[in-house]
Amino acid sequence: GENVEQHPSTLSVQEGDSAVIKCTYSDSASNYFPWYKQELGKRPQLIIDIRSNVGEKKDQRIAVTLNKTAKHFSLHITETQPEDSAVYFCAAPFSGNTPLVFGKGTRLSVIA
Amino acid sequence: NAGVTQTPKFRILKIGQSMTLQCAQDMNHNYMYWYRQDPGMGLKLIYYSVGAGITDKGEVPNGYNVSRSTTEDFPLRLELAAPSQTSVYFCASSQTTEAFFGQGTRLTVV
Repeated sequence: GENVEQHPSTLSVQEGDSAVIKCTYSDSASNYFPWYKQELGKRPQLIIDIRSNVGEKKDQRIAVTLNKTAKHFSLHITETQPEDSAVYFCAAPFSGNTPLVFGKGTRLSVIA
Repeated sequence: NAGVTQTPKFRILKIGQSMTLQCAQDMNHNYMYWYRQDPGMGLKLIYYSVGAGITDKGEVPNGYNVSRSTTEDFPLRLELAAPSQTSVYFCASSQTTEAFFGQGTRLTVV
């Protein structure tokens, strides 16, 4: 099965700065890499995902990059805002295309 | 659509008791999953199902059982509750890629 490592475990940034969270995965056959955001006491929700046939995907202030050769992918948040404060999880498929194995999470704090 | 619905939201169990966590989805998804999330930690896959009648173990299946008799329902059974099973349990479903999560069940074993 897949093994997903995520760094850093905590990240504090000033409002307006950028934040980058990195993940590595072990199964070279994995082809789908989502990022989930979990606010305190809430359920995880998908914020962006990428498939292995593209190297980068953007959605407003959020972007994900993928390096299949190195087996790592990253989440980039630009112009951070206080509402970006949450725990972010990367994931990769456990077996085939589903289900997902999650990284341990990154607690992002955006300081106003 | 209600999405993924979990019951109960909270439960306290005594050591050795058993219970079933219920999960239902109304999106006609084939895939359903159970995760547990320990305090300050990530999500660990317990069991998953790719369709009615098919279940498989995830990363941490010991102490749990599941069944999938219908597309909609995927209950998780704890037979002999132990303090190590204190956690928040999330059920999720998907059809292709995006997983939709239920609101979670907070279980405490004392």
